[in-house]
Amino acid sequence: KNQVEQSPQSLIILEGKNCTLQCNYTVSPFSNLRWYKQDTGRGPVSLTIMTFSENTKSNGRYTATLDADTKQSSLHITASQLSDSASYICVVSARGSYIPTFGRGTSLIVHP
Amino acid sequence: NAGVTQTPKFQVLKTGQSMTLQCAQDMNHNSMYWYRQDPGMGLRLIYYSASEGTTDKGEVPNGYNVSRLNKREFSLRLESAAPSQTSVYFCASSWDYEQYFGPGTRLTVT
Repeated sequence: KNQVEQSPQSLIILEGKNCTLQCNYTVSPFSNLRWYKQDTGRGPVSLTIMTFSENTKSNGRYTATLDADTKQSSLHITASQLSDSASYICVVSARGSYIPTFGRGTSLIVHP
Repeated sequence: NAGVTQTPKFQVLKTGQSMTLQCAQDMNHNSMYWYRQDPGMGLRLIYYSASEGTTDKGEVPNGYNVSRLNKREFSLRLESAAPSQTSVYFCASSWDYEQYFGPGTRLTVT
């Protein structure tokens, strides 16, 4: 069964600090991996998309990495801001499938 | 462009009542999806429509029906609401690998 596991479940950091969120998956055959940011009460918004041939992708202060061999991805947030407080969701799609597999998300709280 | 819009934003139903959640997208996407999100769980797919005229069951379709009215609109119907259907419902559309989500409908069934 395709699965996506995220860690940690929740994280509290101080404004200005960096943090790294983890995503492990068993989806096969792999097509792409996406990271989404979901603010409270809003729909998820895409941060990055990576396919098999990509091992790093940046979007401003967000940098995602992908190791397709170990089936792991990470999302690194640099110089965190209060507005980074949100849930971060890892989503993995299999080749030929319309049904992506969602992780349960990591809840990030940034304190001033 | 409004992107993906959903109505209503909030709804309270009594057990056994029916209702339809509306979703529309203005990005000319072929694929559309309905998800539910419950506390502590990832988004779970209810139904999807790969293209106009087709619909397929997702992970949790029981108690729901859908209609792909045209390329823009994809509605979700609860025929006889149950408390277990209390959730936040998200509609999404997609092009290539990217999914675009609506703002969600918060549904409470009492």
